[in-house]
Amino acid sequence: EPEVTQTPSHQVTQMGQEVILRCVPISNHLYFYWYRQILGQKVEFLVSFYNNEISEKSEIFDDQFSVERPDGSNFTLKIRSTKLEDSAMYFCASSEAGGFRLGYTFGSGTRLTVV
Amino acid sequence: AQKITQTQPGMFVQEKEAVTLDCTYDTSDPSYGLFWYKQPSSGEMIFLIYQGSYDQQNATEGRYSLNFQKARKSANLVISASQLGDSAMYFCAMREVRGRSGGGADGLTFGKGTHLIIQP
Repeated sequence: EPEVTQTPSHQVTQMGQEVILRCVPISNHLYFYWYRQILGQKVEFLVSFYNNEISEKSEIFDDQFSVERPDGSNFTLKIRSTKLEDSAMYFCASSEAGGFRLGYTFGSGTRLTVV
Repeated sequence: AQKITQTQPGMFVQEKEAVTLDCTYDTSDPSYGLFWYKQPSSGEMIFLIYQGSYDQQNATEGRYSLNFQKARKSANLVISASQLGDSAMYFCAMREVRGRSGGGADGLTFGKGTHLIIQP
């Protein structure tokens, strides 16, 4: 069964450093998303990406965040200058065109720890 | 105001019993979708079931069914014949059709989740 692949599974970084979280969505999917989950809390939407541009973003997705689809397969989330409060599980997800009913497929997540 | 409310932070259920996980939602959009996800201790998010706002019948997927009461804005998940492997966090989520893409790229809004523990 097709899956969304995220790398790395766990990343530790120093406060102030830049990190790039990588995702390979399902190949025929057209919509891509990033979510985060602070430990023990609910999953929060960050951003959606469609047709090579940001479609929607939440208040959390401020100027320190950016997303990119550098080639035909990868989808990345960059955090420019990490803060302690950026420590969380980051999930990538993708959905097909009209994926409303089919749901989103989530990756297994990248656990980011900022020290 | 919370868009998705899950009032049960934790539940203990005996194996083989049915369990109902509560979810209420708040939206003024006529078109929306409701999802349930399972998150085991390993952390991944597993899609369980979907209900569209215009669906006439309650969704079912194997042992999972969704008790959709539109007038009450309620979308409870029912798990029949619970198993030990059902122990996990369960999240209710909603998608409103409000984005420029006509719904394709709108993000999900999640509830805080219910931690379900199945006891032998």
